[in-house]
Parts: sequence; structure tokens; C-alpha cells
Amino acid sequence: EDKVVQSPLSLVVHEGDTVTLNCSYEVTNFRSLLWYKQEKKAPTFLFMLTSSGIEKKSGRLSSILDKKELFSILNITATQTGDSAIYLCAVTSGTYKYIFGTGTRLKVLA
Amino acid sequence: GAGVSQSPSNKVTEKGKDVELRCDPISGHTALYWYRQSLGQGLEFLIYFQGNSAPDKSGLPSDRFSAERTGGSVSTLTIQRTQQEDSAVYLCASSSRTGDTQYFGPGTRLTVL
Repeated sequence: EDKVVQSPLSLVVHEGDTVTLNCSYEVTNFRSLLWYKQEKKAPTFLFMLTSSGIEKKSGRLSSILDKKELFSILNITATQTGDSAIYLCAVTSGTYKYIFGTGTRLKVLA
Repeated sequence: GAGVSQSPSNKVTEKGKDVELRCDPISGHTALYWYRQSLGQGLEFLIYFQGNSAPDKSGLPSDRFSAERTGGSVSTLTIQRTQQEDSAVYLCASSSRTGDTQYFGPGTRLTVL
């Protein structure tokens, strides 16, 4: 059965800290891995990763994929209170299926 | 439109009633997905539409759930004889083609009393 596992489930840090969120997966016909940020209801897209070892970066956020070890990490440096959210990892399998993890709930304290 | 829209944003209903949730995808997006997110849980796949192809309904939890997509655009998710366990946020997403980045709507929070 395809599955995506995220860790930790929740995390509390202080502003300025660096955090690393983990996503491991077991899927057949892997196509891509995506990260989303969910603050209220609608997840917003952060990154899509398809190639191993190539870092995607956007401001203080970065992500990398390891297709051999079947995992990805999302790094956030110099965290701010606005980074508080649930971070979702999803893997696309086959032609269209998206399998989501349960997310990591990040809380950044001022 | 600028993004995926969903209506209503919140729906409170009594157990046993039917509800209809609407999703208007981004114009030109051929792929449309419905998900359910219960409190503290990840996104649970419900149904997928791609163009005029037969939808993948494999994620629908029971025969009380059904969905339609008219004219390859707007979609309606119908839940008949609602139960308390149907309470969740129902999210719709669309993408320009299969396997592309999904863009999510703001969701409908359904509460069944």
C-alpha cells in the first residue's frame, strides 16, 4: 500500500530557530514529491521535486529529495511566527494519484 | 478566475440531511480532485476527474457520497443522509494536467449535528 509518513508530527520552536521537517514515502510508480503549507484551510504550494539531489530554494525555505533513500526534507531557516502552519508532503504516483502525509504542525513562538 | 473557489465556506446540517458542495476550478484546468480532511488528519483522496474520462471514484467512503463534473468545469460533491462522521473540511483542487501542481480551493467546513 502506498504511504507517505511525515515527522515530527508537531514542533514548537522560537523565532530565529532553524527547523527540518521530514517526509518518507513508499509508493509504486513515483513521479514527484510536493510540499504544501496549510495555514487555515487551503494548502498552498511550496515545492515540487522530481530529481534526486537537486535543492529547491525559496527565500528561507529549501527542500531536497533523495530518491534512493525515499525521503525528502524541508528546511526553514530563521523561522518567523508567520511560518506557523501545517506542512504537508504529498507524492504523486502513477498518472495522477496524490498521496498525502498527515502533516507536521509547526508553531513558532515570538 | 483567479483561483479555485468553493461554496459554501461553512455548512452546518442535521444528521440525515443531504448536502451539496460546489467547486469551481481554475479556468482551463482539466484535472479536478476532491479531498476530505478530518481534524488533525491528512488529506484523504475522494474522487478524481480528468477531462471527459470516467472519474476515479475509488476514494469515496460510501455510496452516500457522489460527485459530478458538468461540462468539464464545475464540480458538485453530494453527501446523502449525512452522518456525524462526515464532519470535516472538504477541499477541492485542480491542475492544468495530470500530475501537475495542484491548486487548492479554500474548502468547505461541514459540520453534521
